[in-house]
Amino acid sequence: GENVEQHPSTLSVQEGDSAVIKCTYSDSASNYFPWYKQELGKGPQLIIDIRSNVGEKKDQRIAVTLNKTAKHFSLHITETQPEDSAVYFCAARGSGEGGYNKLIFGAGTRLAVHP
Amino acid sequence: DSGVTQTPKHLITATGQRVTLRCSPRSGDLSVYWYQQSLDQGLQFLIHYYNGEERAKGNILERFSAQQFPDLHSELNLSSLELGDSALYFCASSVLDLFNTEAFFGQGTRLTVV
Repeated sequence: GENVEQHPSTLSVQEGDSAVIKCTYSDSASNYFPWYKQELGKGPQLIIDIRSNVGEKKDQRIAVTLNKTAKHFSLHITETQPEDSAVYFCAARGSGEGGYNKLIFGAGTRLAVHP
Repeated sequence: DSGVTQTPKHLITATGQRVTLRCSPRSGDLSVYWYQQSLDQGLQFLIHYYNGEERAKGNILERFSAQQFPDLHSELNLSSLELGDSALYFCASSVLDLFNTEAFFGQGTRLTVV
């Protein structure tokens, strides 16, 4: 079945360092991959997304890369700040009848940025 | 603030009861999605409505139902509640469907079944 694996489950970095979170997906027909940030007590917030016609997308300190052949995509955060501390979720859009309107989420990565 | 409004924020109820969760999508969004977030299952897709019509179902129990009204707000009804139904329930909305547009999540409703 459809599955998204996310690693690591926890990540601790020093302020100013980079953080990388990796995800792999099983459905080769998936073509949309958003990343969400969830702070305590809040809903998931879309921070960046990528569609399968591009290999990389950048927005200030955040970038996402996609390797369709290997079926994996990664989130890169540079110059981390304490306010980047949160749980990050990757997701892949499903496929097939009705499937392309659902997001399959990874289990999440708890990022802690220490001052 | 994503523009998606969910009420109530918190709900505590007893087993066997029925509750209704409400979602107002962002202005102009035609799609509404419901997700359940629990510690053991993570974020799971429940159901998708587009302009009042059900378009896709995920792992939604038969005790759960949803609908989207003409004004595009949506309600998720949970009945015969069990302890295991305790979770965060999120609504998300998008302009069209996920083929071309992004989904934005509300703040969620925390349901506790006692």
